[in-house]
This record gives sequence, structure tokens and C-alpha cells, in this order.
Amino acid sequence: QLQLQESGPGLVKPSETLSLTCTVSGASVSSGPYFWGWIRQPPGKGLEWIGTISYTGTTYYSPSLKSRLTISLDTSKNQFSLNLRSVIAADTAVYYCGGHEEDNGYPRWFDPWGQGTLVTVSS
Amino acid sequence: DIVMTQSPDSLAVSLGERATINCKSSQSVLYSPNNKDYLGWYQQKPGQPPKLLIYWASTRASGVPERFSGSGSGTDFTLTISSLQAEDVAVYYCQEYLTTRLTFGGGTKVEIK
Repeated sequence: QLQLQESGPGLVKPSETLSLTCTVSGASVSSGPYFWGWIRQPPGKGLEWIGTISYTGTTYYSPSLKSRLTISLDTSKNQFSLNLRSVIAADTAVYYCGGHEEDNGYPRWFDPWGQGTLVTVSS
Repeated sequence: DIVMTQSPDSLAVSLGERATINCKSSQSVLYSPNNKDYLGWYQQKPGQPPKLLIYWASTRASGVPERFSGSGSGTDFTLTISSLQAEDVAVYYCQEYLTTRLTFGGGTKVEIK
């Protein structure tokens, strides 16, 4: 059974880098049929897709975050990670990692999701 | 980019009654070569991560009760809960996956009347 778990600091200072890791069990991050993605949810608000990485390392980023974003695989630890640079208060959110169904080489729906981790941007 | 617009923002339904949630995309998410609508629905209960309910607009995910159904094609979609149960109180989101922007709708909150 595929399971994902986010980890990382709960508090990040403005202008610094937000770094999160998602540990995957039940599948290999470096083989199909799954892609791996990040989604965030500001307190009391809706869902925003951040970005996705395929098992071959191809990345897909939200245009609004692309200039500050890096998503990568760590195959030795069966993890994938998120780095968001130059954070501001508006980046405060619950961050979820999720597994994507792959269809014809592209990411589709998210299933399953991790439990999520709250990251607060504040000095 | 495709914009996903859900309506209403919230609704209150009596136990056992039907709940209907709408999702409209700014452009068609129907892919003509395979005649599939690239649209999914999620349920998010308070304090929990979202859970996949429906994919390909109308296919229920594993373990999802039959009272949940998805319909529609092109730009207009509906999630129906045929007989609302107390455990269905949640926020429901649609998501397109035709593009690699993977846009979510704004969410619809379902409560008990």
C-alpha cells in the first residue's frame, strides 16, 4: 500500500528557503507508475498545486512559483523534496505531498496524499 | 491556464437528502482522441488531507460509497451525493488534469441542515 509522509521545519524566516521532504513507502520513487507532487493549502483556504516530478526526474512547476521552486528525487532514500526560495508570509500553508497516477507520460489525479505539515513563515 | 469555478461556495442539506456540487472549467477538459474528461473530485474532512473520490469525471475511486457520483463532460461537471450522511460533512474540490497546471477549483463546503 502506497503511503507518503512529509517532514521538515514548521517555521521558516522570511527570505529564507522552505525545505520539505516526502518519504515514500510501498513504491519506488524512481520507477513507474507514479509521479510525485506537492500541494499547499493556506489556513482556511483552498488547494494550490505547487509542482510535480516524474520517476525519471522530469519536473512540472506552477508558473506562479517556478522562479523560486526546485523539486527533486533522492532515490537512495526513496524520497522526493521541495525547496521554495525567498519565502514570504503568503507562503504560510499546510504542505501536502501526493502520489500521482501517470497516464500516457503525464501526471493526473492525486492519490494518495500525505497527512500534511504546517509551515509558518515568520520572523 | 484553465480556471476551475465551483458553485455554490457552501450548501446545507438535510440528512438523507441529495447534495449537488457544480464545477465549471474555463475551457473543455475533454480529450477528443480518447473521449475522456480529465476531471477529478476530492473530499476533505476537517483536519484531514484530501481524499480522491472520482476520476475521469465519473469513475469512483476504490472504496468510495456508491452514493457519490460524478457526471458531466466538456466544461460542466457535477458531483452528487445521493443521500447525505453525517460523515459526508466536508469540503469538496474538483481538479483538472488535462494540462500540466493541475488546477483545483475553489471548493464547496457541505454541511448538515
